Amino acid sequence: DAGVIQSPRHEVTEMGQEVTLRCKPISGHDYLFWYRQTMMRGLELLIYFNNNVPIDDSGMPEDRFSAKMPNASFSTLKIQPSEPRDSAVYFCASSLDQGGYYGYTFGSGTRLTVV
Amino acid sequence: AQSVTQLGSHVSVSEGALVLLRCNYSSSVPPYLFWYVQYPNQGLQLLLKYTTGATLVKGINGFEAEFKKSETSFHLTKPSAHMSDAAEYFCAVSEGTGNQFYFGTGTSLTVIP
Repeated sequence: DAGVIQSPRHEVTEMGQEVTLRCKPISGHDYLFWYRQTMMRGLELLIYFNNNVPIDDSGMPEDRFSAKMPNASFSTLKIQPSEPRDSAVYFCASSLDQGGYYGYTFGSGTRLTVV
Repeated sequence: AQSVTQLGSHVSVSEGALVLLRCNYSSSVPPYLFWYVQYPNQGLQLLLKYTTGATLVKGINGFEAEFKKSETSFHLTKPSAHMSDAAEYFCAVSEGTGNQFYFGTGTSLTVIP
């Protein structure tokens, strides 16, 4: 198993541009989570999906953020337009359950820099 | 409501010394408790977890943690620190399958040679 795969690893973009982050979860994991990590705010849950359906997006900071999961093997997190304050590391994680009994498997993250 | 408190955002220990990272939680029901480790430029990795049963749980790399209900604690320990233990450690709690998962703010461990 290749684990949770995120791309790109690093993204540098100019303010106002659209950014798309990608995630491939572990096959068979019904839950997919998007987290954002910053020094100031730590780890924040942005949104999570169960069986490709968004369940809770209350952590999405603004309408500029959107996430989709068109199928069980792919999810995207889009920021449009991007702003410097969106600079952070974005992690995708997948799991067999929400409560963590089986553990969450994290990807290596995408480090986003908006200049 | 659940919450997790990690005392000490930064901990420094000498190589070979005891590692103790503190975690306290609040939960209205018996919790699931976890420790995750994040090495530089990597994602989080499950170190160990408590769900039911034995309150002393052992994880990878010689770490262990003990669930103490009376103290609402789940402190992480390792008898002898190694340079490779330098990382960020996150405590997390959930109220079981089907419930949301909450991370603490993390503790950065530095190991001094």
